[in-house]
Amino acid sequence: GDSVTQMEGPVTLSEEAFLTINCTYTATGYPSLFWYVQYPGEGLQLLLKATKADDKGSNKGFEATYRKETTSFHLEKGSVQVSDSAVYFCALSSGNTPLVFGKGTRLSVIA
Amino acid sequence: DAGVIQSPRHEVTEMGQEVTLRCKPISGHNSLFWYRQTMMRGLELLIYFNNNVPIDDSGMPEDRFSAKMPNASFSTLKIQPSEPRDSAVYFCASSLTGLDQPQHFGDGTRLSIL
Repeated sequence: GDSVTQMEGPVTLSEEAFLTINCTYTATGYPSLFWYVQYPGEGLQLLLKATKADDKGSNKGFEATYRKETTSFHLEKGSVQVSDSAVYFCALSSGNTPLVFGKGTRLSVIA
Repeated sequence: DAGVIQSPRHEVTEMGQEVTLRCKPISGHNSLFWYRQTMMRGLELLIYFNNNVPIDDSGMPEDRFSAKMPNASFSTLKIQPSEPRDSAVYFCASSLTGLDQPQHFGDGTRLSIL
């Protein structure tokens, strides 16, 4: 079945550092791909999405490109802030099944 | 625009008691999902509804768990009897019809069973 694998955390970075959180997937067909973010004490929020190969999703300085050839959707940000500290979830949907989430990667950004 | 509303935000109760969690989805959303989040298991889908009809409840852990959606604006998740291992954060999410639609999550109910 469909699955998502994302890098284990926690990830600790200094403010203004470059961020990459790796995500790879296994799916039949052509899934839609998502990144969600969960701030402490809150539910998950959609951060960005991409629906077809080579699409780039972006929001709040975060970007991820749908790479069909490597079945990846890595999340990147050029300069992280303390306020980016959260748990990040990669997810996919093949359209006929509910979202499949990765296990989440906790990011801590220190000033 | 109101998001998904869950109540209560926190619930502490003793083992054996009945627990009812409530969810009001975003108006106009036809799909509703219940999740459970724990440190050990991460985020688990328990059940989802489309147009108030339960579509897949294969994630419901045991017969002690039940969920209903009597109308488009309200859903409940009930645990009876509750056990300490049910302690978790329970999230409700809603979306437009289509499983590839982005889901909008509530802030969750933190449940502690003593």
